[in-house]
Amino acid sequence: DGGITQSPKYLFRKEGQNVTLSCEQNLNHDAMYWYRQDPGQGLRLIYYSQIVNDFQKGDIAEGYSVSREKKESFPLTVTSAQKNPTAFYLCASSILWQANYGYTFGSGTRLTVV
Amino acid sequence: AQSVTQPDIHITVSEGASLELRCNYSYGATPYLFWYVQSPGQGLQLLLKYFSGDTLVQGIKGFEAEFKRSQSSFNLRKPSVHWSDAAEYFCAVGRVIQGAQKLVFGQGTRLTINP
Repeated sequence: DGGITQSPKYLFRKEGQNVTLSCEQNLNHDAMYWYRQDPGQGLRLIYYSQIVNDFQKGDIAEGYSVSREKKESFPLTVTSAQKNPTAFYLCASSILWQANYGYTFGSGTRLTVV
Repeated sequence: AQSVTQPDIHITVSEGASLELRCNYSYGATPYLFWYVQSPGQGLQLLLKYFSGDTLVQGIKGFEAEFKRSQSSFNLRKPSVHWSDAAEYFCAVGRVIQGAQKLVFGQGTRLTINP
């Protein structure tokens, strides 16, 4: 079955470390997204990518970086510059030029700073 | 700019009772509207969507939503809730920017079901 796989499900980061969250999809979707979810704040867009080797900043990109070397993969790195990284991170994908399509979401990664 | 407001942070209903979750949006053009559901520790699942035509849309799990342009609302309803409906519900409005669909989400409504 097609879908989006996020790994790991739980991740612990020490202060000053960079960590990378994995997102892989086999839906043949062109567009991929990263959202951050905090209690009571809904979902906030970090980065998105419409095509391989190109990506755009979302509303809260500071302290994060991404790459899109393959259509299927869109990893997110949480850098040491992100001062409050503890959150639930969701990856999503969609097709281009279809405003009524919506997103398909992965099951998320919970990141905790220890 | 697009925005979505879900006025109710938390709602509690009894099993078997009817449910209505409110969603108000701000968007200049014809909106593309979505409702998603999230179980604890999981991703979001699409319940239903509206983009044109009949203003009453049917979704999965017995949910429906009605688009009211005059009120800028897209409220989610279910005639009789089940304990398994306990979850968080998100309303979203979308548009296409340079090919990519961008969704703006509301803050979510957490639904608790009393037995």
